[in-house]
Amino acid sequence: GAVVSQHPSWVICKSGTSVKIECRSLDFQATTMFWYRQFPKQSLMLMATSNEGSKATYEQGVEKDKFLINHASLTLSTLTVTSAHPEDSSFYICSARARASGETQYFGPGTRLLVL
Amino acid sequence: KQEVTQIPAALSVPEGENLVLNCSFTDSAIYNLQWFRQDPGKGLTSLLLIQSSQREQTSGRLNASLDKSSGRSTLYIAASQPGDSATYLCAASTEKLVFGKGTKLTVNP
Repeated sequence: GAVVSQHPSWVICKSGTSVKIECRSLDFQATTMFWYRQFPKQSLMLMATSNEGSKATYEQGVEKDKFLINHASLTLSTLTVTSAHPEDSSFYICSARARASGETQYFGPGTRLLVL
Repeated sequence: KQEVTQIPAALSVPEGENLVLNCSFTDSAIYNLQWFRQDPGKGLTSLLLIQSSQREQTSGRLNASLDKSSGRSTLYIAASQPGDSATYLCAASTEKLVFGKGTKLTVNP
């Protein structure tokens, strides 16, 4: 089956630093990747959608200058949390979709971010 | 705007019971509906995907049904086991996946 990996699985950083999270589709080409955020005891909230080679589309309320998304290849998307603050501490999960709308999204294992 | 609701928020049952988790969605124009399992601190495990043209899907002890016209889906778990304890999320798919808040299931030995 399709496998999506994320790296790192967890990260602790100081307030004000930037953190990069990688999302890779290991055995398929992902034309579209999605980034979600999940706060404790809450559901997943979509942050942005990225298509390979084009700019990401951000959901309402998500700051595009704070959460930089790059989808430079069909197997890799990165999310950079710039100038992280404690309120950015969360569980970040990516997913990847191979073809047009309606095809299954395959989810990564998630990255837990703690900003001190 | 699609909204997905899951009830109950939490459920505790003794081992061996059959149980039903409920999911409702407001916009019936979906491509599919998925059920996921999430263990504490972990990512998502896809359980079942029902295409909009289908009525149900089965995998082992799990059976998911879909009624698009009423905006409802149910996940039926037969003969529950302690290992089934987790949070179960449903998600309705259009251009995006919209998730419910989940049902936290505890199966007591």
